[in-house]
Amino acid sequence: DAGVIQSPRHEVTEMGQEVTLRCKPISGHDYLFWYRQTMMRGLELLIYFNNNVPIDDSGMPEDRFSAKMPNASFSTLKIQPSEPRDSAVYFCASSLSGKDGYTFGSGTRLTVV
Amino acid sequence: KQEVTQIPAALSVPEGENLVLNCSFTDSAIYNLQWFRQDPGKGLTSLLLIQSSQREQTSGRLNASLDKSSGRSTLYIAASQPGDSATYLCASTNAGNMLTFGGGTRLMVKP
Repeated sequence: DAGVIQSPRHEVTEMGQEVTLRCKPISGHDYLFWYRQTMMRGLELLIYFNNNVPIDDSGMPEDRFSAKMPNASFSTLKIQPSEPRDSAVYFCASSLSGKDGYTFGSGTRLTVV
Repeated sequence: KQEVTQIPAALSVPEGENLVLNCSFTDSAIYNLQWFRQDPGKGLTSLLLIQSSQREQTSGRLNASLDKSSGRSTLYIAASQPGDSATYLCASTNAGNMLTFGGGTRLMVKP
């Protein structure tokens, strides 16, 4: 198994531009999570899906952030318009049931200038 | 709401020492507790997963224990090596299958 795959690994964009981060969970995993990591705030849960349905998006900072999971093998996190304070590492994780642990992707390092 | 705390925030030890990292959580109704390792600029690597019904898990030089009643977990690293230098994160899974992280312990093992 290739694990959780995220793309791109690095993204540098100008303020105001749209950014799309992508995630492919492990095949067969029913849960998918998006986290953001910064030095100041550590790991923050943004949103998570169960069977492609968003369950909790209370961690999404504001309306500029949106996430979708059109099928079991793909999810996107979109920021529009991006701002410098969105600069962080964004991680995607998946789990078979939640009770058997989580596997994280390598993350996308986003820099908004 | 679950809160997870890790003490100490940073730790520096000489090579060869045995060490213990601490993790505490406020809500004991957990499904499991997971320990991760994160190297600088890298992702999270799962080290050990302890289910709520278990007391400990071992992998090589690592041993993790869980005491739900007291809301504590410890990660024991035997005979530490410079290659163990990293940030160690604990995280609990609670109702709703949400993973809550502690702030991490940054470990430095000096040769």
